Amino acid sequence: DADVTQTPRNRITKTGKRIMLECSQTKGHDRMYWYRQDPGLGLRLIYYSFDVKDINKGEISDGYSVSRQAQAKFSLSLESAIPNQTALYFCATSALQGEGQETQYFGPGTRLLVL
Amino acid sequence: SQQGEEDPQALSIQEGENATMNCSYKTSINNLQWYRQNSGRGLVHLILIRSNEREKHSGRLRVTLDTSKKSSSLLITASRAADTASYFCADGAGSYQLTFGKGTKLSVIP
Repeated sequence: DADVTQTPRNRITKTGKRIMLECSQTKGHDRMYWYRQDPGLGLRLIYYSFDVKDINKGEISDGYSVSRQAQAKFSLSLESAIPNQTALYFCATSALQGEGQETQYFGPGTRLLVL
Repeated sequence: SQQGEEDPQALSIQEGENATMNCSYKTSINNLQWYRQNSGRGLVHLILIRSNEREKHSGRLRVTLDTSKKSSSLLITASRAADTASYFCADGAGSYQLTFGKGTKLSVIP
């Protein structure tokens, strides 16, 4: 089984709808991240969480919210979806290693289309 | 904001040739990492090089780091069609997050 899973894998929604993307991990990592990927723009960080009680905004948090329900679960919500939120969304996890260096482990992604 | 920037944006080579991709960054780093992404899929970590290292090898991968020039390169030797993917550098300037570049799209022609 995959260490980092995301649901759904694909989603089509309409402008104004609220949707939730879910991420679960079995790696036992404390740190979890949400990124979006747009063609030609690479990955941009939306939110990150270092533990259940610690949630931080990333580079592009406007229009998004998150919930860290447990160490293993980190959900991303779009309160009122808009077309420019159409993108590929990735969840990732990491554990603090040695001198603060981190390798991140990514889920398979959720492809979201907002009409 | 984006920090790592890969060059070239796209690269097409014949199978068996070597592929070199470059990455530049702007501020001091703790480490620099390279990731691979097959089309539409999640990123997979390839290699990490620390700021006090100059070169690192892993199989057919060779990574160099020049902190004076704020640059890194990824060399894939004896490329295979299965190496076709996008490659991203990510700098670990802090201890808590990575900043990814826009990637180099590598095509290896059989």
